[in-house]
Amino acid sequence: QKEVEQDPGPLSVPEGAIVSLNCTYSNSAFQYFMWYRQYSRKGPELLMYTYSSGNKEDGRFTAQVDKSSKYISLFIRDSQPSDSATYLCAMAVGNKLVFGAGTILRVKS
Amino acid sequence: EAQVTQNPRYLITVTGKKLTVTCSQNMNHEYMSWYRQDPGLGLRQIYYSMNVEVTDKGDVPEGYKVSRKEKRNFPLILESPSPNQTSLYFCASTATVANSPLHFGNGTRLTVT
Repeated sequence: QKEVEQDPGPLSVPEGAIVSLNCTYSNSAFQYFMWYRQYSRKGPELLMYTYSSGNKEDGRFTAQVDKSSKYISLFIRDSQPSDSATYLCAMAVGNKLVFGAGTILRVKS
Repeated sequence: EAQVTQNPRYLITVTGKKLTVTCSQNMNHEYMSWYRQDPGLGLRQIYYSMNVEVTDKGDVPEGYKVSRKEKRNFPLILESPSPNQTSLYFCASTATVANSPLHFGNGTRLTVT
């Protein structure tokens, strides 16, 4: 079993939809939770960074962490074609960082 | 502009021919790392470096070497490439430790025939 599980998709939604991307994990020691966005032919870029359970909002993006369920989510409101990318969750404790496999998101105009 | 620069972007080579992928960062970061990205497997860490002359193995180090002689540079060396090392490689850096946000380069697509 992988330490971090993420559905690879692709997830295809119409423009303006609310998108929900999710990851589950097995290591309860993880303390830091991140979402990276990766456009085609580019390196991943940090989108959201959270330390604890709860919600963190940044514009159209909301990151949610539920440590009791070992489950994290990224919500995108009013999705745009420019949001089409691969979204990778990542989790860390100390010097250990583990990435999910990434979910491909396609937002159609 | 703060960035991580990898070269080359694309590389096609043959089995056994030694190659080096360069990585340089201009942010004075202490921590640098190499990842490979394969479909369905996500990003897997090859090697990392906490500072100059300090390197350690990641999850998939077999067949790779690294060196950190200067703070800004962290080259990845494949002494005898094999087809199973065909992949997309990313260099990343951060100021302190791995749980800090990483800055990634734009990747090197390597094909070994």
